[in-house]
Amino acid sequence: AQKITQTQPGMFVQEKEAVTLDCTYDTSDPSYGLFWYKQPSSGEMIFLIYQGSYDQQNATEGRYSLNFQKARKSANLVISASQLGDSAMYFCAMRPFTGANSKLTFGKGITLSVRP
Amino acid sequence: ETGVTQSPTHLIKTRGQQVTLRCSSQSGHNTVSWYQQALGQGPQFIFQYYREEENGRGNFPPRFSGLQFPNYSSELNVNALELDDSALYLCASSLGGSGGPSRGHEQFFGPGTRLTVL
Repeated sequence: AQKITQTQPGMFVQEKEAVTLDCTYDTSDPSYGLFWYKQPSSGEMIFLIYQGSYDQQNATEGRYSLNFQKARKSANLVISASQLGDSAMYFCAMRPFTGANSKLTFGKGITLSVRP
Repeated sequence: ETGVTQSPTHLIKTRGQQVTLRCSSQSGHNTVSWYQQALGQGPQFIFQYYREEENGRGNFPPRFSGLQFPNYSSELNVNALELDDSALYLCASSLGGSGGPSRGHEQFFGPGTRLTVL
């Protein structure tokens, strides 16, 4: 079974500053993928970034980067140069690459508020 | 490229009724997954359909059922609605039902259907 833990309370960041959102995970699968999604108040889950467990380098997608520490089972999201539109819920998720389906297991999410 | 669409956007039902939610997958995708997201929680996996067959199921009772059609669109049916079924129902489409140690298996979500059971 997989488990995602996101324990930070609501996070606040000043516009144009960087912020780190924490995620730890637990799995017995040898091969897996880690994902971050953004959910604005409209409800749609927006894919941000992906990290494979065997990827040698940390993933980056524009202003988003993933600080992947496999031994510590952590996959923190770093958002650089925060913008007001980054205010939303952020979910960390994972899926194993073994097994018959691509079920995503999500954490409870973190609320990020960007201050002008 | 057409994104994932869901209908209806909002729905109000009463206890004991039945509901059908619909999802059109992104162009080129053959897998649809359904998730239930209660208020203040992360999405919970209901089930997944790959090439018209159920390909995995989460911890949901049999009154949650689904279908996938030849064009890969999908329906989620919930019978005998309960108050706790009130939630945002998210549909996600992806390419491939399993495996893949590389990227390309991201799930892309629709805007969701908000169901309220009174």
